[in-house]
Amino acid sequence: QVQLQESGPGLVEPSETLSLTCTVSGGSIIGYYWSWIRQPPGKGLEWIGYIYYSGSTNYNPSLKSRVTISVDTSKDQFSLELSSVTAADTAVYYCARDLHTGHYYFDYWGQGTLVTVSS
Amino acid sequence: SYELTQPPSVSVSPGQTASITCSGDKLGDKFASWYQQKPGQSPVLVIYEDTKRPSGIPERFSGSNSGNTATLTISGTQAVDEADYYCQAWDSSTACYVFGTGTKVTVL
Repeated sequence: QVQLQESGPGLVEPSETLSLTCTVSGGSIIGYYWSWIRQPPGKGLEWIGYIYYSGSTNYNPSLKSRVTISVDTSKDQFSLELSSVTAADTAVYYCARDLHTGHYYFDYWGQGTLVTVSS
Repeated sequence: SYELTQPPSVSVSPGQTASITCSGDKLGDKFASWYQQKPGQSPVLVIYEDTKRPSGIPERFSGSNSGNTATLTISGTQAVDEADYYCQAWDSSTACYVFGTGTKVTVL
Protein backbone atom coordinates (compact mmCIF):
# COMPACT_ATOMS: atom_id res chain seq x y z
CA GLN A 1 0.00 0.00 0.00
CA VAL A 2 1.54 3.26 -1.15
CA GLN A 3 1.60 5.98 1.49
CA LEU A 4 2.48 9.66 1.12
CA GLN A 5 3.39 12.05 3.91
CA GLU A 6 3.78 15.81 3.59
CA SER A 7 6.18 17.69 5.83
CA GLY A 8 7.28 21.29 6.24
CA PRO A 9 6.60 24.52 8.13
CA GLY A 10 3.00 25.26 9.04
CA LEU A 11 3.56 29.00 9.09
CA VAL A 12 5.21 31.12 6.40
CA GLU A 13 5.59 34.89 6.37
CA PRO A 14 4.21 36.95 3.48
CA SER A 15 6.62 37.39 0.56
CA GLU A 16 8.67 34.40 1.69
CA THR A 17 8.95 30.96 0.05
CA LEU A 18 6.76 28.03 1.07
CA SER A 19 8.68 24.73 1.05
CA LEU A 20 7.14 21.28 1.50
CA THR A 21 8.39 17.73 1.01
CA CYS A 22 6.40 14.59 0.28
CA THR A 23 7.86 11.23 1.30
CA VAL A 24 6.63 8.13 -0.51
CA SER A 25 6.63 4.77 1.26
CA GLY A 26 5.29 1.33 0.44
CA GLY A 27 6.32 1.74 -3.16
CA SER A 28 8.90 3.42 -5.33
CA ILE A 29 8.78 6.93 -6.71
CA ILE A 30 10.29 5.57 -9.91
CA GLY A 31 7.99 5.11 -12.87
CA TYR A 32 5.29 7.52 -11.78
CA TYR A 33 4.19 11.13 -11.92
CA TRP A 34 3.67 12.97 -8.62
CA SER A 35 1.50 16.03 -8.06
CA TRP A 36 0.89 18.78 -5.54
CA ILE A 37 -2.69 19.91 -4.96
CA ARG A 38 -3.98 22.52 -2.53
CA GLN A 39 -7.27 23.44 -0.87
CA PRO A 40 -7.87 26.82 0.80
CA PRO A 41 -9.96 26.55 3.98
CA GLY A 42 -13.59 25.92 3.08
CA LYS A 43 -12.89 25.95 -0.66
CA GLY A 44 -12.25 23.55 -3.51
CA LEU A 45 -9.22 21.72 -4.86
CA GLU A 46 -6.58 23.34 -7.07
CA TRP A 47 -3.85 21.43 -8.90
CA ILE A 48 -0.43 23.06 -8.52
CA GLY A 49 1.80 20.92 -10.72
CA TYR A 50 3.43 17.55 -11.29
CA ILE A 51 6.86 16.02 -11.65
CA TYR A 52 7.87 12.78 -13.35
CA TYR A 53 10.43 10.67 -11.51
CA SER A 54 12.93 11.58 -14.22
CA GLY A 55 12.57 15.26 -13.30
CA SER A 56 10.33 16.65 -16.03
CA THR A 57 7.69 19.03 -14.71
CA ASN A 58 4.44 20.76 -15.62
CA TYR A 59 2.78 23.54 -13.64
CA ASN A 60 -0.62 25.17 -13.41
CA PRO A 61 -0.37 28.28 -15.62
CA SER A 62 -1.91 30.38 -12.85
CA LEU A 63 0.99 29.55 -10.50
CA LYS A 64 3.77 28.76 -12.97
CA SER A 65 5.85 31.88 -12.29
CA ARG A 66 6.11 31.06 -8.57
CA VAL A 67 6.30 27.23 -8.46
CA THR A 68 9.20 24.81 -8.51
CA ILE A 69 8.78 21.05 -8.00
CA SER A 70 11.81 18.81 -7.63
CA VAL A 71 12.43 15.10 -6.98
CA ASP A 72 14.99 13.05 -5.06
CA THR A 73 14.64 9.43 -6.15
CA SER A 74 17.32 8.27 -3.69
CA LYS A 75 15.05 9.31 -0.84
CA ASP A 76 11.69 8.60 -2.55
CA GLN A 77 10.80 12.24 -2.01
CA PHE A 78 9.54 15.13 -4.08
CA SER A 79 9.28 18.75 -3.02
CA LEU A 80 7.33 21.94 -3.64
CA GLU A 81 8.55 25.51 -3.47
CA LEU A 82 6.11 28.40 -3.87
CA SER A 83 7.68 31.82 -3.81
CA SER A 84 6.37 35.27 -2.90
CA VAL A 85 3.48 33.89 -0.90
CA THR A 86 0.49 35.93 0.24
CA ALA A 87 -2.50 35.18 2.45
CA ALA A 88 -4.22 33.74 -0.64
CA ASP A 89 -1.72 30.86 -0.54
CA THR A 90 -3.01 29.73 2.86
CA ALA A 91 -4.30 26.22 2.26
CA VAL A 92 -4.03 22.55 3.02
CA TYR A 93 -1.37 21.20 0.67
CA TYR A 94 -1.66 17.61 -0.53
CA CYS A 95 0.78 15.45 -2.42
CA ALA A 96 -0.62 12.69 -4.60
CA ARG A 97 0.41 9.97 -7.02
CA ASP A 98 -0.57 11.00 -10.51
CA LEU A 99 -1.57 8.34 -13.05
CA HIS A 100 -0.86 10.78 -15.80
CA THR A 101 -0.08 9.16 -19.09
CA GLY A 102 -3.37 8.21 -20.70
CA HIS A 103 -5.19 7.96 -17.37
CA TYR A 104 -5.24 11.37 -15.67
CA TYR A 105 -6.26 10.75 -12.08
CA PHE A 106 -4.80 10.69 -8.56
CA ASP A 107 -4.98 7.34 -6.80
CA TYR A 108 -3.04 7.90 -3.57
CA TRP A 109 -3.05 11.08 -1.50
CA GLY A 110 -1.16 12.27 1.55
CA GLN A 111 -3.02 13.36 4.65
CA GLY A 112 -2.39 17.01 3.82
CA THR A 113 -0.62 19.75 5.72
CA LEU A 114 -2.03 23.17 6.55
CA VAL A 115 0.22 26.06 5.62
CA THR A 116 -0.77 29.48 6.94
CA VAL A 117 0.73 32.63 5.44
CA SER A 118 0.87 35.28 8.12
CA SER A 119 3.29 37.59 9.85
CA SER B 1 -9.21 28.35 -18.94
CA TYR B 2 -11.20 25.14 -18.74
CA GLU B 3 -13.93 24.96 -16.08
CA LEU B 4 -15.94 22.17 -14.50
CA THR B 5 -19.22 23.13 -12.86
CA GLN B 6 -21.06 21.12 -10.20
CA PRO B 7 -24.23 21.86 -8.20
CA PRO B 8 -23.28 23.19 -4.75
CA SER B 9 -25.45 20.69 -2.92
CA VAL B 10 -27.49 17.54 -3.36
CA SER B 11 -29.84 16.09 -0.77
CA VAL B 12 -30.94 12.46 -0.72
CA SER B 13 -32.89 10.18 1.57
CA PRO B 14 -31.24 7.02 2.88
CA GLY B 15 -31.63 4.17 0.41
CA GLN B 16 -32.40 6.47 -2.50
CA THR B 17 -30.24 7.42 -5.49
CA ALA B 18 -28.08 10.53 -5.57
CA SER B 19 -26.87 11.92 -8.89
CA ILE B 20 -24.12 14.53 -9.06
CA THR B 21 -23.41 16.26 -12.34
CA CYS B 22 -20.20 17.83 -13.62
CA SER B 23 -20.43 20.07 -16.67
CA GLY B 24 -17.64 21.21 -18.97
CA ASP B 25 -17.11 21.91 -22.64
CA LYS B 26 -16.82 18.58 -24.50
CA LEU B 27 -16.14 16.83 -21.20
CA GLY B 28 -17.22 13.57 -22.83
CA ASP B 29 -14.03 13.70 -24.92
CA LYS B 30 -11.93 13.58 -21.76
CA PHE B 31 -11.61 11.11 -18.90
CA ALA B 32 -13.55 12.17 -15.78
CA SER B 33 -12.64 11.13 -12.27
CA TRP B 34 -14.50 11.61 -9.00
CA TYR B 35 -13.26 12.08 -5.43
CA GLN B 36 -15.05 11.84 -2.09
CA GLN B 37 -13.85 14.08 0.72
CA LYS B 38 -15.13 13.89 4.28
CA PRO B 39 -14.47 16.72 6.76
CA GLY B 40 -10.86 16.88 7.85
CA GLN B 41 -9.81 14.06 5.52
CA SER B 42 -7.97 13.75 2.24
CA PRO B 43 -9.89 13.16 -0.99
CA VAL B 44 -10.49 9.54 -1.91
CA LEU B 45 -10.77 8.36 -5.52
CA VAL B 46 -14.17 6.73 -6.10
CA ILE B 47 -14.42 6.70 -9.93
CA TYR B 48 -11.69 6.97 -12.59
CA GLU B 49 -11.73 6.88 -16.38
CA ASP B 50 -15.43 7.79 -16.38
CA THR B 51 -16.81 4.48 -15.11
CA LYS B 52 -14.18 2.44 -13.26
CA ARG B 53 -14.20 1.82 -9.51
CA PRO B 54 -10.94 1.42 -7.57
CA SER B 55 -10.56 -1.63 -5.39
CA GLY B 56 -12.46 -1.20 -2.13
CA ILE B 57 -15.02 1.29 -3.44
CA PRO B 58 -18.59 -0.04 -3.01
CA GLU B 59 -20.57 -1.06 -6.08
CA ARG B 60 -23.21 1.56 -5.27
CA PHE B 61 -20.86 4.16 -6.78
CA SER B 62 -21.02 4.40 -10.57
CA GLY B 63 -20.11 6.95 -13.22
CA SER B 64 -20.90 8.01 -16.75
CA ASN B 65 -19.60 10.67 -19.12
CA SER B 66 -21.07 11.87 -22.41
CA GLY B 67 -21.40 15.12 -24.28
CA ASN B 68 -20.73 17.97 -21.87
CA THR B 69 -21.69 16.17 -18.65
CA ALA B 70 -20.19 13.55 -16.38
CA THR B 71 -22.39 12.05 -13.67
CA LEU B 72 -21.59 10.30 -10.41
CA THR B 73 -24.44 8.12 -9.18
CA ILE B 74 -24.73 6.73 -5.68
CA SER B 75 -27.36 4.00 -5.53
CA GLY B 76 -28.86 3.02 -2.20
CA THR B 77 -27.19 6.00 -0.53
CA GLN B 78 -26.04 5.46 3.03
CA ALA B 79 -25.33 7.93 5.83
CA VAL B 80 -21.62 7.14 5.45
CA ASP B 81 -21.76 8.62 1.90
CA GLU B 82 -22.38 12.12 3.25
CA ALA B 83 -19.37 14.10 2.01
CA ASP B 84 -18.11 16.59 -0.55
CA TYR B 85 -17.60 15.21 -4.05
CA TYR B 86 -15.30 16.66 -6.71
CA CYS B 87 -15.01 15.80 -10.38
CA GLN B 88 -11.68 16.17 -12.18
CA ALA B 89 -10.36 16.07 -15.73
CA TRP B 90 -7.18 16.77 -17.69
CA ASP B 91 -7.38 19.66 -20.13
CA SER B 92 -4.84 18.95 -22.85
CA SER B 93 -5.21 22.41 -24.41
CA THR B 94 -3.79 24.08 -21.31
CA ALA B 95 -1.86 21.02 -20.05
CA CYS B 96 -3.60 21.41 -16.72
CA TYR B 97 -5.64 19.30 -14.34
CA VAL B 98 -8.98 20.87 -13.47
CA PHE B 99 -11.23 20.11 -10.52
CA GLY B 100 -14.94 20.76 -10.37
CA THR B 101 -16.44 23.27 -7.98
CA GLY B 102 -17.54 20.53 -5.59
CA THR B 103 -20.90 19.19 -4.40
CA LYS B 104 -21.93 18.63 -0.81
CA VAL B 105 -24.08 15.52 -0.51
CA THR B 106 -26.41 15.47 2.47
CA VAL B 107 -28.19 12.29 3.49
CA LEU B 108 -31.40 13.38 5.20
